[in-house]
Parts: sequence; structure tokens; C-alpha cells
Amino acid sequence: AQSVTQPDIHITVSEGASLELRCNYSYGATPYLFWYVQSPGQGLQLLLKYFSGDTLVQGIKGFEAEFKRSQSSFNLRKPSVHWSDAAEYFCAVGGSISNFGNEKLTFGTGTRLTIIP
Amino acid sequence: EAQVTQNPRYLITVTGKKLTVTCSQNMNHEYMSWYRQDPGLGLRQIYYSMNVEVTDKGDVPEGYKVSRKEKRNFPLILESPSPNQTSLYFCASSLESRLTYEQYFGPGTRLTVT
Repeated sequence: AQSVTQPDIHITVSEGASLELRCNYSYGATPYLFWYVQSPGQGLQLLLKYFSGDTLVQGIKGFEAEFKRSQSSFNLRKPSVHWSDAAEYFCAVGGSISNFGNEKLTFGTGTRLTIIP
Repeated sequence: EAQVTQNPRYLITVTGKKLTVTCSQNMNHEYMSWYRQDPGLGLRQIYYSMNVEVTDKGDVPEGYKVSRKEKRNFPLILESPSPNQTSLYFCASSLESRLTYEQYFGPGTRLTVT
């Protein structure tokens, strides 16, 4: 069964500092990997996705993530965070095929990001 | 504007009183899904639908029902809500269920069952 682990429940970063959010996955084949952001009171917005090809993917809002097969990781990074980046971030893995071909997304438990001035 | 809408956004109800949370998308997406979000558990899939009249259970289907009579709508039904169904619910849709899989989420429905 596929699974996602986000080991950091809460991270605090100073505005302007760099950011890395960790994500480890378990999946039997090449996974489809996603990062979503949830701002307070909002739904989830897709930041970036990895299907195949270049292991460094660029997303919206200046985020990027790197797929490392050997480490089963898909960490999210940003060189310089802004106060508006304060939100909850979810890593997700897809690709599980049920009898009906459901490409179900399995989400991690999320990492809450706090930005301090 | 392409979007997924949910109604209501907030709901407080009592145990046993049937309720329906509506979900509608205007993107002609085939795949729709319901999730619940609970602290420390992330998002868990309740039910999904591959297309009209095709639905199946997700990871936590107990106590919920769905229907997909039209492509754009995917209501979530709680026949007899219980306090353990207090949660934040999200509807999501994607163009198709295979390969180019990218979900668009609604704004969420916060449900409290007393």
C-alpha cells in the first residue's frame, strides 16, 4: 500500500530564510508525487507535481521540489520565504490502481509553516 | 472561472439528522472525490467517482453515501450523522482518473455534529 510521511508537524522560519519541507513516500513503482498548500480557511491548491523526467520540478509561488528515488523522498524547497507562505503543506502520492483504476491520492499528515518577522 | 464549489461551508447539526453536502464542478471533469481532514491524520478519501453512475469506496466510507447522477455534481450524504463525523470535508475533481492526475479542491465544509 502506498503511504506518505511528513516527519515535521510544525516548522518555524524567519522571513527571507530558506525553507525545506520533508516528504518520504512508500510506493511499489514510480510514483506520481504532489505538493499542495492550504492557506488558513482555504481549500488545497496544487503547488507542483512530478510524473516523470527531470527530478527537479518547479512550481508556483517560487517553490521547487526534488524527487530522489534512492531516498524515496520528494522534499519541497524555497530559497526565501515570504510572510504569505505561512500555511499548511501536504505531500501526496498517487498511482494506486484499484479494480476500477482509481488513481487515488494518499496524503501525508501535513506540515504547518509559521513565518516570523 | 473554473472551480469546485461546496455548500454549505459551515454546518452544525445534531446526531441522527440526515444532511447533504453538495459539490459541483464546472470543468467537465470525469473524476470526483470526497475527503475528510482531521488534525494529525491529513486528508483521507471517503468516496470517489470515476464518471457518471460509477462510484466506489475510499479509505473511510462508513457512515457516508454518495451519488453521481450528473457529471458536474457529487453530493455527500450523511444519513445519520454522529459526533465522530465532525470534520472538515473537501470535494475535489480531476479531468480523468488515470495518468495526468491533478486534483482541484473545493473550499471545504466544516461540519460539527453534536
